[in-house]
Amino acid sequence: EVQLVESGGGLVKPGGSLRISCAASGFTFTNAWMNWVRQAPGKGLEWVGRIKSKTNDGTTEYAAPVKGRFAISRDDSSNTVYLQMNSLKTEDTAVYYCARQLGYYYYYMDVWGKGTTVTVSS
Amino acid sequence: EIVLTQSPATLSLSPGERATLSCRASQTVTNYLAWYQQKPGQAPRLLIYDASNRATGIPARFSGSGSGTDFTLTISSLEAEDFAVYYCQQRINWPPTFGQGTRLEIK
Repeated sequence: EVQLVESGGGLVKPGGSLRISCAASGFTFTNAWMNWVRQAPGKGLEWVGRIKSKTNDGTTEYAAPVKGRFAISRDDSSNTVYLQMNSLKTEDTAVYYCARQLGYYYYYMDVWGKGTTVTVSS
Repeated sequence: EIVLTQSPATLSLSPGERATLSCRASQTVTNYLAWYQQKPGQAPRLLIYDASNRATGIPARFSGSGSGTDFTLTISSLEAEDFAVYYCQQRINWPPTFGQGTRLEIK
């Protein structure tokens, strides 16, 4: 079964850091381009960033609100993608989803995890 | 950044009825538009990509149409499991952006 499972969410104070993970199974992770998308409470979806496969140089890109504070990485040996979040702000409070890109259709996402909740509050 | 505006914000229909959801882009996205369904407490699910292509496993009652700036998601005959929030998303312009969503509720 194709699956993504996020973990590591929690409560963190403003200015703090948190790393969340996404474990993939049921597909060839090394070929997958992976995204992070977030959803603030009661709000819509917001794309956070993406990491390409290592065969496509593994580069990352980030939405403006998180650029310079968030970093995406991947470990193909464990089929895991990470989102390191630094200098967290209250407005980063959201459910964070990892999602697989649909083949070479850039930024369409065909497999999603159930999400992990990050709460930034003092 | 391209802004996607979905209408209506809420649509109230009965099972068996036809649903028509709209997504309008602030500038052309040609056909680079997707639709997602999200049920409460669940992750989004890809329904349609490139305006009119159904994703794997999506029932034929879901169809997408449109090009340029105006797009439509049609559900031909609503079933109980179709009541959810629907989002459109564009990918032609960076960053990829989503509409604010249309809530489809049972009348």
